Amino acid sequence: EDKVVQSPLSLVVHEGDTVTLNCSYEVTNFRSLLWYKQEKKAPTFLFMLTSSGIEKKSGRLSSILDKKELFSILNITATQTGDSAVYLCAVEGLAGANNLFFGTGTRLTVIP
Amino acid sequence: EAEVAQSPRYKITEKSQAVAFWCDPISGHATLYWYRQILGQGPELLVQFQDESVVDDSQLPKDRFSAERLKGVDSTLKIQPAELGDSAMYLCASSPRDRVGYEQYFGPGTRLTVT
Repeated sequence: EDKVVQSPLSLVVHEGDTVTLNCSYEVTNFRSLLWYKQEKKAPTFLFMLTSSGIEKKSGRLSSILDKKELFSILNITATQTGDSAVYLCAVEGLAGANNLFFGTGTRLTVIP
Repeated sequence: EAEVAQSPRYKITEKSQAVAFWCDPISGHATLYWYRQILGQGPELLVQFQDESVVDDSQLPKDRFSAERLKGVDSTLKIQPAELGDSAMYLCASSPRDRVGYEQYFGPGTRLTVT
């Protein structure tokens, strides 16, 4: 059975801290892994990862994929209160179906 | 910037009533998805369309849920009759045709409360 597990489930940090969010997966015919940020509305796209070892970076956020060990991490440096959100990891695994299988998310709270 | 449109944004209904949600994907996006997101969980795919055809509805509770995309553009998701357990956020997403390694663009969602 396809599975995406995120950890930790929730995290509280102070502004300026660096955080690492984890996503491990077991899916049939892996194609890509995506990270989304969800505040009080719909998820917004952050990164898509298809190859191992290649870091994707956007400002203070970065992510990397390890296809051998079946996990990805999302790093946020110098956190700000605006980073408070649920971070969702999703995997595209069923060949031809092009649908995403989501984890339950990590709720990040950044306090001033 | 083009966005996925959904309406209504909020819906409160009594159990056993019928309810319908509407989604208009980004223009030119052939693939449309409906997800259900229960509070504290990640989105769960209900149905996927490629143009007007259903590609995957294996997780759609077909005894009470139905979805259509008659002209391959906008889509409607219906629940009849609604049950208390249907309270959730219903998200619509779209993506371009035949892209490998694509991203899905999500609409603002419809938050359904069944009383």
